[in-house]
Amino acid sequence: EAEVAQSPRYKITEKSQAVAFWCDPISGHATLYWYRQILGQGPELLVQFQDESVVDDSQLPKDRFSAERLKGVDSTLKIQPAELGDSAMYLCASSLEGGHTEAFFGQGTRLTVV
Amino acid sequence: GQQLNQSPQSMFIQEGEDVSMNCTSSSIFNTWLWYKQDPGEGPVLLIALYKAGELTSNGRLTAQFGITRKDSFLNISASIPSDVGIYFCAGISGGYQKVTFGTGTKLQVIP
Repeated sequence: EAEVAQSPRYKITEKSQAVAFWCDPISGHATLYWYRQILGQGPELLVQFQDESVVDDSQLPKDRFSAERLKGVDSTLKIQPAELGDSAMYLCASSLEGGHTEAFFGQGTRLTVV
Repeated sequence: GQQLNQSPQSMFIQEGEDVSMNCTSSSIFNTWLWYKQDPGEGPVLLIALYKAGELTSNGRLTAQFGITRKDSFLNISASIPSDVGIYFCAGISGGYQKVTFGTGTKLQVIP
């Protein structure tokens, strides 16, 4: 069964260091989402791509976060420098373009900043 | 960022009981989704709803897309221990299919 792949599953980093997460969406899915989920809360959208273009990054802290999807397939989310408050689950999801849309999630990357 | 309001926030029920939860928004959505999330895992899609008034079932789960397009409901019948988890609603809107999540309902089933 097709699934969204994310790596690493877990990451511990010291504050002020750089950290990167990778996501490979379901084949053929044009839309890719990065979410941040703080413990006890629902996922919050950080950035949404349509193919290689960013269509919504209004909630992305651009002073330290960046995201790219250069070839419109896999994507990388980077944090530099990491802060203690960045500790959270980072989830990637993908969906088909247009029509009846269902977003499917990866297992997430659990980030702990120490 | 915006999150949809889900209620109840948490619930304890006896195995075999039915469960109801809902999700409300001040905005209109074109699609409603319901997910279940286990600890340390990503959300897993349970049911998708595409039309106002639509009622859709998936096994013991039944969900409805509210007539106003601003709310949705999820029912679980005859709960079992593996139903334990956090249930999230999500609404999709806009030309770029933005997905907005609810605050979650934590379900605990007592055997």
